Amino acid sequence: GAGVSQSPSNKVTEKGKDVELRCDPISGHTALYWYRQSLGQGLEFLIYFQGNSAPDKSGLPSDRFSAERTGGSVSTLTIQRTQQEDSAVYLCASSSRVLSAGELFFGEGSRLTVL
Amino acid sequence: SQQGEEDPQALSIQEGENATMNCSYKTSINNLQWYRQNSGRGLVHLILIRSNEREKHSGRLRVTLDTSKKSSSLLITASRAADTASYFCATAVNTDKLIFGTGTRLQVFP
Repeated sequence: GAGVSQSPSNKVTEKGKDVELRCDPISGHTALYWYRQSLGQGLEFLIYFQGNSAPDKSGLPSDRFSAERTGGSVSTLTIQRTQQEDSAVYLCASSSRVLSAGELFFGEGSRLTVL
Repeated sequence: SQQGEEDPQALSIQEGENATMNCSYKTSINNLQWYRQNSGRGLVHLILIRSNEREKHSGRLRVTLDTSKKSSSLLITASRAADTASYFCATAVNTDKLIFGTGTRLQVFP
């Protein structure tokens, strides 16, 4: 596609439910990043992928969070047993750089609201 | 945890004035990047400066990097109302990991 696509753009869920957020990066981009941004705050690093592997998962807040990437393309971020503090905008970005972080192209984000 | 801290947190200026935002970081970096965010959604890349560079220009943007002080500044000259946004610095730590700062909210009044 022309840009990074994220879905859903908005998700409202009840506490305790599981949610899946999807990211479709720019075709050919090997690196894919997930960030979380709470209202009025900076971006919190969650995880990044090079191809299908995730060299750094240190940013995942708890074991309720997991992410995978298949075929070097689409990535899914899963949050199990959602809590109210999970409410945030989840941003995905992709990059064509392999060895060092270059320009990131961001999607418009998925806004998650946990009631 | 945040790698970068922007200063000031918020900045209000009149159109035509220059806007300067600063970023300080903690560890050695490969490069430093500046991004812009409108309305709390996707970010747009503005400029990248490598650790061996000291200054870079792009249109009305000027970025400096001082690795000895672990700091960078973004200067927007002749600001416009359309420059109103949040601006973030991001540092490439080790190889691929890109860590963002806390951001500066810029308001440009017509």
